[in-house]
Amino acid sequence: LAKTTQPISMDSYEGQEVNITCSHNNIATNDYITWYQQFPSQGPRFIIQGYKTKVTNEVASLFIPADRKSSTLSLPRVSLSDTAVYYCLVGDIQTGANNLFFGTGTRLTVIP
Amino acid sequence: DGGITQSPKYLFRKEGQNVTLSCEQNLNHDAMYWYRQDPGQGLRLIYYSQIVNDFQKGDIAEGYSVSREKKESFPLTVTSAQKNPTAFYLCASSTSSPGGYTFGSGTRLTVV
Repeated sequence: LAKTTQPISMDSYEGQEVNITCSHNNIATNDYITWYQQFPSQGPRFIIQGYKTKVTNEVASLFIPADRKSSTLSLPRVSLSDTAVYYCLVGDIQTGANNLFFGTGTRLTVIP
Repeated sequence: DGGITQSPKYLFRKEGQNVTLSCEQNLNHDAMYWYRQDPGQGLRLIYYSQIVNDFQKGDIAEGYSVSREKKESFPLTVTSAQKNPTAFYLCASSTSSPGGYTFGSGTRLTVV
């Protein structure tokens, strides 16, 4: 089981870039890395997914080193609305949901 | 609009009673999942189903039951055998894309 480790919490000021790192030392060859955002009393929402190197979309970038034992979610110029819990998820749904593990996530607080 | 609908949003149950949480999706996804989330914690997998008429236990299946008679529906029953059922319950579905969940908005169950 490719468990993940993330910082429990982070604070950032508005307009700054935020980088959240996730460790996944036991990642398997077929595993993807997916990040989700969750607001209170809502279901998690997909942010970005990658397998290796760098992936960028309209809301975030995901950096994955060659050994894939960690990954970094980068949020450019955060705003107050980015205050949420961010989960790093490693696994492959096709091999069974039991291979996917949601840790406690990282609680990001954006300060005015 | 396609999505996942969970109902009700809030549910109160007396001790010793069974209660069923509804989850319906119109995304044409094959796989569906139930997660439980306790305050300040990550998501824990209860049950999942990758195809109609088939489902597997997750990490915390004791005290819960599910059925998957239709592709669109995956109801979860919280039985009286579940000793601590008060929690936030999240339903999700996915395509074959690894890690690609779509979550519902959740049901908050409180035992009174």
